Amino acid sequence: AQSVTQPDIHITVSEGASLELRCNYSYGATPYLFWYVQSPGQGLQLLLKYFSGDTLVQGIKGFEAEFKRSQSSFNLRKPSVHWSDAAEYFCAVGAWTDKLIFGTGTRLQVFP
Amino acid sequence: NAGVTQTPKFQVLKTGQSMTLQCAQDMNHNSMYWYRQDPGMGLRLIYYSASEGTTDKGEVPNGYNVSRLNKREFSLRLESAAPSQTSVYFCASIALVNTEAFFGQGTRLTVV
Repeated sequence: AQSVTQPDIHITVSEGASLELRCNYSYGATPYLFWYVQSPGQGLQLLLKYFSGDTLVQGIKGFEAEFKRSQSSFNLRKPSVHWSDAAEYFCAVGAWTDKLIFGTGTRLQVFP
Repeated sequence: NAGVTQTPKFQVLKTGQSMTLQCAQDMNHNSMYWYRQDPGMGLRLIYYSASEGTTDKGEVPNGYNVSRLNKREFSLRLESAAPSQTSVYFCASIALVNTEAFFGQGTRLTVV
């Protein structure tokens, strides 16, 4: 069965600092991996996705993520965080069965 | 461009009442999903429909039923609402499992 773990419930960083949000997945085959962002009171927006090819993927808003098969991880990174990045971030895994499963989310707080 | 439309946006039910949440998409997507979002739990998959005419259980299907009325519409029914079903419900649609999921704006349901 597929599953997603986001070990960090809440992360606080200063504006301008670097950011890494962790995501670990469990799935028997090569999964389809996604990061979504949710601003307060809003729906979810896709940041980036991976399903094959280059293991370092670039997304919107300056985010990137790296797929590491050996570690079953797909961590999200940003070199310099802006106050507008404060939101909740969700990692998700898709499968050939068309089931899309989300992690529990990481809430990012940004201090000026 | 409407995308994914959910109705209603807010609803208060008494324990034991029934209701149907409606979802419609105008992007000709094959797959549609119902999730519930609770604090600290992330998005949990209730039911999904990989194509018109098929539905499958997700992670938390108990207490819910779904209908894929046609390719555009996917409804979620609570037959006898319980306080544990107080949540924010999101509908999503996807063209293919390795592509972006588009979300509705959510339905905030309170069961008293």
